[in-house]
Amino acid sequence: DAGVIQSPRHEVTEMGQEVTLRCKPISGHDYLFWYRQTMMRGLELLIYFNNNVPIDDSGMPEDRFSAKMPNASFSTLKIQPSEPRDSAVYFCASKAQNTEAFFGQGTRLTVV
Amino acid sequence: AQTVTQSQPEMSVQEAETVTLSCTYDTSESDYYLFWYKQPPSRQMILVIRQEAYKQQNATENRFSVNFQKAAKSFSLKISDSQLGDAAMYFCAYRHGANSKLTFGKGITLSVRP
Repeated sequence: DAGVIQSPRHEVTEMGQEVTLRCKPISGHDYLFWYRQTMMRGLELLIYFNNNVPIDDSGMPEDRFSAKMPNASFSTLKIQPSEPRDSAVYFCASKAQNTEAFFGQGTRLTVV
Repeated sequence: AQTVTQSQPEMSVQEAETVTLSCTYDTSESDYYLFWYKQPPSRQMILVIRQEAYKQQNATENRFSVNFQKAAKSFSLKISDSQLGDAAMYFCAYRHGANSKLTFGKGITLSVRP
């Protein structure tokens, strides 16, 4: 298996633009997590899904952020409109029942 | 709410020496897991070692071992025979139960001197 695949690896966008981050979990994994990493706040959970259903979205900062998982092999995290304070590395991770989480390579987002 | 604290922002170790990274956590739960993750400059998050709270025996993985003090809520990582490739950020993490989210500490930057 190729592991968790995130795209793009890097994204630079202007303030106010819509940004979509993508994640393909490992086949057979039924949990998917979105984390954000910043210098100030470290690694924090944004949202996670189980069997494509959002279980905990308490970490989603505000209405500008939305996440979807239309099927077991794909998830998106959208920011609209983007702001400079959204600049961070966004990680996607997946896991199966009673196993450990595997992380993707992350997407470095820069909003200018 | 559960919290994970890594109070040392940076540490340095001489190649081939041993280093211990500290972590404390706070929880009122009894069913939980603790982890150490490594993040090299490539930014990939790599699982180093895990410990189930119900197990008294400390986990070991080759040169990596933990000192799990449940009553003190302490979970330190010992790296023996340090290698240049061990240089990275290390994160301590907590998970309540088998299938929930990870809560991370702030991380510690480990440098290895040749």
